[in-house]
Amino acid sequence: KNEVEQSPQNLTAQEGEFITINCSYSVGISALHWLQQHPGGGIVSLFMLSSGKKKHGRLIATINIQEKHSSLHITASHPRDSAVYICAVRSNTGNQFYFGTGTSLTVIP
Amino acid sequence: DSGVTQTPKHLITATGQRVTLRCSPRSGDLSVYWYQQSLDQGLQFLIQYYNGEERAKGNILERFSAQQFPDLHSELNLSSLELGDSALYFCASSRGVAGAVGADTQYFGPGTRLTVL
Repeated sequence: KNEVEQSPQNLTAQEGEFITINCSYSVGISALHWLQQHPGGGIVSLFMLSSGKKKHGRLIATINIQEKHSSLHITASHPRDSAVYICAVRSNTGNQFYFGTGTSLTVIP
Repeated sequence: DSGVTQTPKHLITATGQRVTLRCSPRSGDLSVYWYQQSLDQGLQFLIQYYNGEERAKGNILERFSAQQFPDLHSELNLSSLELGDSALYFCASSRGVAGAVGADTQYFGPGTRLTVL
């Protein structure tokens, strides 16, 4: 049983397209993280959010606590956005941290 | 560069052996996390330390142990290695909001790739 589910698993887009990656979770949480893992393996934290919406450049992350759902949007996608995007949640019981299996994004020029 | 360093970058060893992975957090960060990423299981949280004390445990096997030293660097010890332990092991650090796991932004090291033959 996965506490965090992401969709889609794989995504191919043309440069310039608007992209949405979804994350649903089944546990009560106090924070949700979006991570980016580059083809070389390095991981970068993009957002940490507990409510509402955050924006950084072309990236937007939203969360709906009642629905237990978060989305990561990329506007005007670029080939350099090609990476695996991982959703992770901090549960509000037991001090645990759960990961989704990731969404592999390829942006074609 | 996240400021988190991990050594070694690659490690090849045999089944039954013991290895130690090392992590130095960003300057000023009190929390250190260890994660395992394997092809079939994805990223998994292993353990968190805050200012020298264990704060949270995830899916860490009994054959694995970790500690955080007074200078805040951390070591992950893996013993009686099995083929299935082959994975990327990431360390991350954060300022450490009340020592709670995942409560603040984490900065990831480049990882140690462990291959068990």
